[in-house]
Amino acid sequence: DGGITQSPKYLFRKEGQNVTLSCEQNLNHDAMYWYRQDPGQGLRLIYYSQIVNDFQKGDIAEGYSVSREKKESFPLTVTSAQKNPTAFYLCASSIDAAVSSGNTIYFGEGSWLTVV
Amino acid sequence: AQKITQTQPGMFVQEKEAVTLDCTYDTSDPSYGLFWYKQPSSGEMIFLIYQGSYDQQNATEGRYSLNFQKARKSANLVISASQLGDSAMYFCAMREPFSGFQKLVFGTGTRLLVSP
Repeated sequence: DGGITQSPKYLFRKEGQNVTLSCEQNLNHDAMYWYRQDPGQGLRLIYYSQIVNDFQKGDIAEGYSVSREKKESFPLTVTSAQKNPTAFYLCASSIDAAVSSGNTIYFGEGSWLTVV
Repeated sequence: AQKITQTQPGMFVQEKEAVTLDCTYDTSDPSYGLFWYKQPSSGEMIFLIYQGSYDQQNATEGRYSLNFQKARKSANLVISASQLGDSAMYFCAMREPFSGFQKLVFGTGTRLLVSP
């Protein structure tokens, strides 16, 4: 089945540790995105990538890092510099990043990260 | 300034009835896109419907329709014949103008509860 796969679904991290969230898509999409969701709020953009080996900061990139070495993969690392990392993280993709009619962004099932 | 406003934190509807979820937006760009997503308790964001600013007709997808009133800057989601499985959070989002890429700005969501 085509889609976006995120893993792990639930992750616990001790303070001071880095953690990497996986995102894989088999939709052959060029563009990929990471969003963060906090309780009672909408989604906020962390990073996005329009093409392999290229990525740009979103609105809340501090304390996060990404890589895009393969078209289908866009892992997100939550570093110890992120002051409040407990949240729900959603990966998404679209055919490309162009602003065009009907270019829909599709999401994965998300990963819950809790810092203990 | 908030670009997407969803004023209904929660809505209740009886099964088989229709329900309207409100969304207003703010932009000065003549070209924009509006999306609705459903987020069940599992966390995945499910794309429902899209409306482009230049689209002449209101978008429809099965039981979902978008009541697009451009002059009022509103893009309300109408769900006809509600089903128990429609119980979820619903987010309105706008493709942010001037960003140069496919960036979505989300509202805070409306929780819909469908009762038997």
